[in-house]
Amino acid sequence: DSGVTQTPKHLITATGQRVTLRCSPRSGDLSVYWYQQSLDQGLQFLIQYYNGEERAKGNILERFSAQQFPDLHSELNLSSLELGDSALYFCASSGQEDNSPLHFGNGTRLTVT
Amino acid sequence: EDQVTQSPEALRLQEGESSSLNCSYTVSGLRGLFWYRQDPGKGPEFLFTLYSAGEEKEKERLKATLTKKESFLHITAPKPEDSATYLCAVQAWGGSQGNLIFGKGTKLSVKP
Repeated sequence: DSGVTQTPKHLITATGQRVTLRCSPRSGDLSVYWYQQSLDQGLQFLIQYYNGEERAKGNILERFSAQQFPDLHSELNLSSLELGDSALYFCASSGQEDNSPLHFGNGTRLTVT
Repeated sequence: EDQVTQSPEALRLQEGESSSLNCSYTVSGLRGLFWYRQDPGKGPEFLFTLYSAGEEKEKERLKATLTKKESFLHITAPKPEDSATYLCAVQAWGGSQGNLIFGKGTKLSVKP
C-alpha cells in the first residue's frame, strides 16, 4: 500500500459531461502529481502541485484543471469529456527531498461513452 | 526531444530462467532514472532510482544498472510473483520533480 488514496476507483460517464477525481497524498507529502495512462500513450504527466500551488504543467488539456486544498488533498476536474479521455488517471505524491520517488495511488478508471 | 524506449514489449520466462529488460533513453541531462513495477489494476510501485552511469541497485531478485544511454533490469531466478509490467522513467535536469518521462513498459510473465 503506497499510502496514496484515490476515489472513485471507477467512473463511467457520457460525452460532454464533467467529472472530479480525488486524491489524498501520503501523510507528510506536500507534492501531488496527476498522470494519465492510456494503452497507446503510456503514462503521461499532467500537472504538479506543491503545498497548494501549481508547480509544473505537462500535457494537460485546457478542458482539464486541478487544485490542491489546504489539507493537501487534490482534485482533478475533467470537463466536456470526449471518448478519447477514457483512461486510467493516477495521482502520486512525493517527499520534499530532491529526487524523492513518486508513490502512486491505484488510479481512477474513467470510461466515457 | 526526451524519450524512453523499453524492450522487449513482452517477455515470457520459465520460473528460474534469468533475463534482462532494457530501457534506452535520450535526455538532455539525466537527473535520475527510475524503475517501477505495475500489477494489473494497480498503480506503479517504486523499485529503484539510479543517478549516474555505473551505478547499480539491488532488491531481492532484481538488479538495476545504468550506463550513459541505457538501463537494464536484471531478473535472477524469477518466480511467478515477479510477473508484472516493469516501467522505466527518466527525469531531466530543468524539469520538475514529478515530470517523469515514462517508457511503455515490458510485460513480464513468469510461468511455474
